[in-house]
Formats: sequence, C-alpha cells, structure tokens
Amino acid sequence: DVKVTQSSRYLVKRTGEKVFLECVQDMDHENMFWYRQDPGLGLRLIYFSYDVKMKEKGDIPEGYSVSREKKERFSLILESASTNQTSMYLCASSSLSPGQGLAFFGQGTRLTVV
Amino acid sequence: GDSVTQMEGPVTLSEEAFLTINCTYTATGYPSLFWYVQYPGEGLQLLLKATKADDKGSNKGFEATYRKETTSFHLEKGSVQVSDSAVYFCALFLRSGNTPLVFGKGTRLSVIA
Repeated sequence: DVKVTQSSRYLVKRTGEKVFLECVQDMDHENMFWYRQDPGLGLRLIYFSYDVKMKEKGDIPEGYSVSREKKERFSLILESASTNQTSMYLCASSSLSPGQGLAFFGQGTRLTVV
Repeated sequence: GDSVTQMEGPVTLSEEAFLTINCTYTATGYPSLFWYVQYPGEGLQLLLKATKADDKGSNKGFEATYRKETTSFHLEKGSVQVSDSAVYFCALFLRSGNTPLVFGKGTRLSVIA
C-alpha cells in the first residue's frame, strides 16, 4: 500500500520559532509537494520538488523554505513562525510518468502558532 | 493561467438525495481531470479521474464526465450516504512538464440521516 507519512498530526509552536515539517514517501516518486489548506481558500501550493536537491516556488512561498536531500524525504521549514502560518499543511507526492498527475497525500499536520 | 472553479459550499443533503457538484476549468493545454475527496481528519485521496474528452470516471457510486466543449467535470452521485460527508476537490493536471496539480477551493458536503 502506497504511503506518504507526515511526521506530526498536530504541532503547537511559539512565534519566532524555527519549525520543521517532515514528509516521507515510499513510492519512489520523483515529485513532492507542500500545500497549506485554509477555510475558504482551498489548497495553496507552497513549494514543490521534481528531483533531489531541486525546488520550485509555488503560489505562496514567502516565509517558507524546503529541503530535499533524499528522494523519499521533503521537508518544509518555517524560518520564523508567525501566527498567520497557523494552518493545515499537506504533503503529497506523484510520479513523473506523463499523463499520470495522480498525487498521494499524507494525513496532514495541523500547525498552531501561538 | 490554469484554474479550476467549483461551486461554493457547504452543501447539505438528506440521505439518498441526488448530488451534483459543479466544476469548470480553464487550461492552456489539454488537461487530465480529477476529483479528490478529504474525509474528516485525513489527507486527500483520489476519488476518480478522466484523461480525455468524453471519458467518464467513476468510483464508489460517484461519476464525472470530461466535457471539453463546456470545459466541465461535474461530480454526481445518485444516492448519497452519511459516509459521503467530506470535502470534495476538483483538480486538473497538464501533461506537459513537471507542473503540479491545480485544485479548486473545495466543496464541503454534509449528508444528514
């Protein structure tokens, strides 16, 4: 069974802290994504990566960075957490195969910044 | 740019009612189309997909037909159940390049017994 695993279901962090959200996939997928999900705004793409050590900005990269040192792992980093980064964060992965576009999602991390 | 527009929610239905969630898209190329579902407390999972015009995707009693002429991919189910309560996302994928899925904003469905 395919799997995308996010390291935490719930996190509470303080304003100004550096926060790491980890995501691991076991499907040997080339592409990995980080989204945030907010009521009324749907899913918004933060960053994605189509290869090890490669990254591309999504629609809302400000305040975030990412790291992909190994194919199976994609980390989202909040350099200095702020209250407006309180959200649900979803990681996903997909194959590079043309015509696929099928993404597998982790269960999400609900981050609260206080 | 490429985008997906789906009907605003929330949608509240009684059990066994007919469901339609509208989805239209704008794309520069010829996309594949998807419906994803998010059950409470979980991540998204694929519900159904269609890769070319007039294809019908179906799963768990849900159906959607790829209509190129109206750029639509409406989700339907003839008789909803309480267990169908979830958020439904329409999405498109352009098959050229390493482009991510483009999602609609989601439609929350609540089914009451």
